[in-house]
Amino acid sequence: GAVVSQHPSWVICKSGTSVKIECRSLDFQATTMFWYRQFPKQSLMLMATSNEGSKATYEQGVEKDKFLINHASLTLSTLTVTSAHPEDSSFYICSAGRNTGELFFGEGSRLTVL
Amino acid sequence: KQEVTQIPAALSVPEGENLVLNCSFTDSAIYNLQWFRQDPGKGLTSLLLIQSSQREQTSGRLNASLDKSSGRSTLYIAASQPGDSATYLCAVYKAAGNKLTFGGGTRVLVKP
Repeated sequence: GAVVSQHPSWVICKSGTSVKIECRSLDFQATTMFWYRQFPKQSLMLMATSNEGSKATYEQGVEKDKFLINHASLTLSTLTVTSAHPEDSSFYICSAGRNTGELFFGEGSRLTVL
Repeated sequence: KQEVTQIPAALSVPEGENLVLNCSFTDSAIYNLQWFRQDPGKGLTSLLLIQSSQREQTSGRLNASLDKSSGRSTLYIAASQPGDSATYLCAVYKAAGNKLTFGGGTRVLVKP
């Protein structure tokens, strides 16, 4: 099956620093990738749609300048949490879609901001 | 706006019992519906994808049905095992390769 890889799987950082999370589709090309955020015992909340070669589309209430998304190639999208604060601590998950329409998810990245 | 609801939110059954997980959605104009499994602290594993033109999909002990007109899907897991303990999420697509709308999930515990 299709594989989507996320890195790092967990990261701890100090408040005020920036953290970059990578999402790669390993065996297929993805023109669109999606970034989700998940709080404990809650479902996934879509943050933004990452479009290869163009600007990301953010969901309402998601700060564009806080969560920078770059989709430089058909197999890589990055999410950068800028000037992270404790309230940004969460589980971030990306997904990528094959041309069949099915979406595959990464293993997630747990961010803890001290 | 599409809303997806999963009931119950949590379920505990003895090993060997069949599991029935329900998913309902408000807008029947869906492209696909997908069931996922999520283990604690992990990403999502795709279980079954049902195209909007299909009524059901089967994989091993798993069977998922789809009734678009009534806005419902049901995931059946036969002869449950402790390893089936996880959170199960359903999600609907509005269009091909489009963003998913997730339900709140059902946390399942299968007791040995």
